[in-house]
Amino acid sequence: GAVVSQHPSRVICKSGTSVKIECRSLDFQATTMFWYRQFPKQSLMLMATSNEGSKATYEQGVEKDKFLINHASLTLSTLTVTSAHPEDSSFYICSARAQGEGANYGYTFGSGTRLTVV
Amino acid sequence: GQNIDQPTEMTATEGAIVQINCTYQTSGFNGLFWYQQHAGEAPTFLSYNVLDGLEEKGRFSSFLSRSKGYSYLLLKELQMKDSASYLCAPMDSNYQLIWGAGTKLIIKP
Repeated sequence: GAVVSQHPSRVICKSGTSVKIECRSLDFQATTMFWYRQFPKQSLMLMATSNEGSKATYEQGVEKDKFLINHASLTLSTLTVTSAHPEDSSFYICSARAQGEGANYGYTFGSGTRLTVV
Repeated sequence: GQNIDQPTEMTATEGAIVQINCTYQTSGFNGLFWYQQHAGEAPTFLSYNVLDGLEEKGRFSSFLSRSKGYSYLLLKELQMKDSASYLCAPMDSNYQLIWGAGTKLIIKP
């Protein structure tokens, strides 16, 4: 089945620094990847849709200059949280759907990144 | 607007059966997914329904009624490892998944 690898799984950083999260599709090509954020006991919230070779599409209220997304290849998308603040501490998850994949497989998720800003 | 309604929490006994209901309202509809999410982990795919009726997959079954905007996930022979949150996620006309807060299922021995 389709596998999405996400790194790092956990990161602690100081306020004002930047953190990069990588999301790789290991056995399929993903022209589109999705970045979510999830606060404790809340639903997944779509932050942006990452499109290979073009600009990402951001959801309303998500600062594109703060959350930089790069989707330079069919297997890699990165999310960089710039000038991180404690309120950015959250669980960040990427997902992708393989090209030509049957709908029965749904969207495959990375393992998530727990970001703590101190 | 788009909306998902699931119970916040349910409790069941090991070995029993539990049904988690979901009602939804979306702009268009392209199927409905159920995901399982253990605490601190990413969601994992359980099922997908696009036509009305019951889809059975091992201990888990999922039902869909498009006219009623209703789905349920049925879990049989409950095991302790089934303790998790269960997320109902319909797909709208833009093929975007709509997420609710999910149902936290607690399994007791």
